[in-house]
Amino acid sequence: DAKTTQPPSMDCAEGRAANLPCNHSTISGNEYVYWYRQIHSQGPQYIIHGLKNNETNEMASLIITEDRKSSTLILPHATLRDTAVYYCTYTSGTYKYIFGTGTRLKVLA
Amino acid sequence: SAVISQKPSRDICQRGTSLTIQCQVDSQVTMMFWYRQQPGQSLTLIATANQGSEATYESGFVIDKFPISRPNLTFSTLTVSNMSPEDSSIYLCSVTSDYYEQYFGPGTRLTVT
Repeated sequence: DAKTTQPPSMDCAEGRAANLPCNHSTISGNEYVYWYRQIHSQGPQYIIHGLKNNETNEMASLIITEDRKSSTLILPHATLRDTAVYYCTYTSGTYKYIFGTGTRLKVLA
Repeated sequence: SAVISQKPSRDICQRGTSLTIQCQVDSQVTMMFWYRQQPGQSLTLIATANQGSEATYESGFVIDKFPISRPNLTFSTLTVSNMSPEDSSIYLCSVTSDYYEQYFGPGTRLTVT
């Protein structure tokens, strides 16, 4: 099964960039990396995904290393509402996701 | 994206009883997924439900305990049978888009006493 490794927790000052790393060393060449976040036991929310190139949308940026073994989610200007658990994941050849333990991000005022 | 609703949003049940959770999507989707999230834990996939076929269960989950129905492309139910306190969790359904990202419902918070 797909396996990801993330730091259990991080703090970030409000207004600063939050950089959340993820290791996915077993990812295959055609598997996308996906990021989700879960705010206080609500349903997880899709953030962004990517394959090889860096991606940006209205919520975040995704930087994927050239060897694709790791990635970083960047929230450019973190707000208190970004306090959540952030999960990175990828499919193991199917539509199925295996969610790791995630990173609990706390944005500090 | 898809808009997903779940019923009930929460329930408190006695051990030995069963609860059926409904998941409704605002558009037709091929694949639906059911997850469990135990207190303080990450999400664990229970099963994949495709319309017109039997659900596919993950290791550690069986049909007798978690029967699933998928009668059409916008609806699914998950039943938690013969409940015990260990079944106290948040149960979430999700669907995929054309690009494999998943959209989750708000969850059903179940407490078994």
